[in-house]
Amino acid sequence: DSGVTQTPKHLITATGQRVTLRCSPRSGDLSVYWYQQSLDQGLQFLIQYYNGEERAKGNILERFSAQQFPDLHSELNLSSLELGDSALYFCASSVDPYNEQFFGPGTRLTVL
Amino acid sequence: AQTVTQSQPEMSVQEAETVTLSCTYDTSENNYYLFWYKQPPSRQMILVIRQEAYKQQNATENRFSVNFQKAAKSFSLKISDSQLGDTAMYFCAFEGRGGSNYKLTFGKGTLLTVNP
Repeated sequence: DSGVTQTPKHLITATGQRVTLRCSPRSGDLSVYWYQQSLDQGLQFLIQYYNGEERAKGNILERFSAQQFPDLHSELNLSSLELGDSALYFCASSVDPYNEQFFGPGTRLTVL
Repeated sequence: AQTVTQSQPEMSVQEAETVTLSCTYDTSENNYYLFWYKQPPSRQMILVIRQEAYKQQNATENRFSVNFQKAAKSFSLKISDSQLGDTAMYFCAFEGRGGSNYKLTFGKGTLLTVNP
């Protein structure tokens, strides 16, 4: 158990819908990262937050957005969902951007 | 942009044998870290081993060791005395340390099967 929690574990929804994935970092970690793992794209970095501020963006679609709250938990919002958004979404956290990232168990999103 | 290449989509090894997984990367940065992550069927991402590019000595963690060749941009993982629990997808990853972006860039992965 890495200490990073993600909810829900599984999510099944329909095309065009909007969902929110939640991540609670390890106690004391200020940095949160979101990654997407899909069959065709592999593991891709989406976005990083540090102490509430966006720090880096990767291959994140405009339909996706994220934020980190004052209590340091983070949410990834996915809207206008498409079949191709079906993937495993990981959250990772670290003490700061210079230290090891610890991964959560992931949220499996299925878009039907 | 950095790229990470794992040329072996699948490998298999007999229990107690040794296996080496290959990884090459491309970067213009001089300061970076390299990682091997393991993803068993549970899908949890587990850090296996880490190598700082400025260290010449190869990292070792129990049965896991790396062969880091900086000039060749090669970073292979050796698993000794393979165990059934080593069956998993293994990902090589790169993290640049030169700017403000500390994201991980992953290879496509190698599926390792350890046979009894």
